[in-house]
Amino acid sequence: DAKTTQPNSMESNEEEPVHLPCNHSTISGTDYIHWYRQLPSQGPEYVIHGLTSNVNNRMASLAIAEDRKSSTLILHRATLRDAAVYYCILRRSNTGNQFYFGTGTSLTVIP
Amino acid sequence: GAVVSQHPSWVICKSGTSVKIECRSLDFQATTMFWYRQFPKQSLMLMATSNEGSKATYEQGVEKDKFLINHASLTLSTLTVTSAHPEDSSFYICSAFRTGSSSPLHFGNGTRLTVT
Repeated sequence: DAKTTQPNSMESNEEEPVHLPCNHSTISGTDYIHWYRQLPSQGPEYVIHGLTSNVNNRMASLAIAEDRKSSTLILHRATLRDAAVYYCILRRSNTGNQFYFGTGTSLTVIP
Repeated sequence: GAVVSQHPSWVICKSGTSVKIECRSLDFQATTMFWYRQFPKQSLMLMATSNEGSKATYEQGVEKDKFLINHASLTLSTLTVTSAHPEDSSFYICSAFRTGSSSPLHFGNGTRLTVT
């Protein structure tokens, strides 16, 4: 399974931007980069995904390095509801599409 | 948006009994569903890939005879924990995606299983 590396935890002040990094040095050309977040006792929630180009949606932005070996999830203005565990995952579309979760980053938002 | 429904949300059972968990894709057809298990303060661990109309593919170390998976239709997969033991107590989560190489994965809200 393709491995991703994320910091265990991060803190952010409310209403400030948050940059959550992810390293995926073993990424292959067909791997999509996905981000999910999980609140306690809930299933993960889709945030954003991309292949090569940066992506924006109503929840966040995804910045992908030119060599694709790293990516950054950007929350433009953190709110208390954004406190969650954020997972960066590589989806291998050519080998069954399994999603393997790493340890994720626990984001704390400080009011 | 796509919705995946999981039922029940929690269940308590006695040791030795079996428990069935259902996972439904409500507004799309899912040829493939995934089952995960999550212990407290840990990440999700992929247990098996459920394929409609064929046998599930289990991850290494997951007992297929203990965790029975049936994917009889394009909108329903079930996970049955057979002869449950206290160590099977965990948070079980199903997921599905629309067919397509870039589709995101949609998750159910999980089932909290407690075996007494």
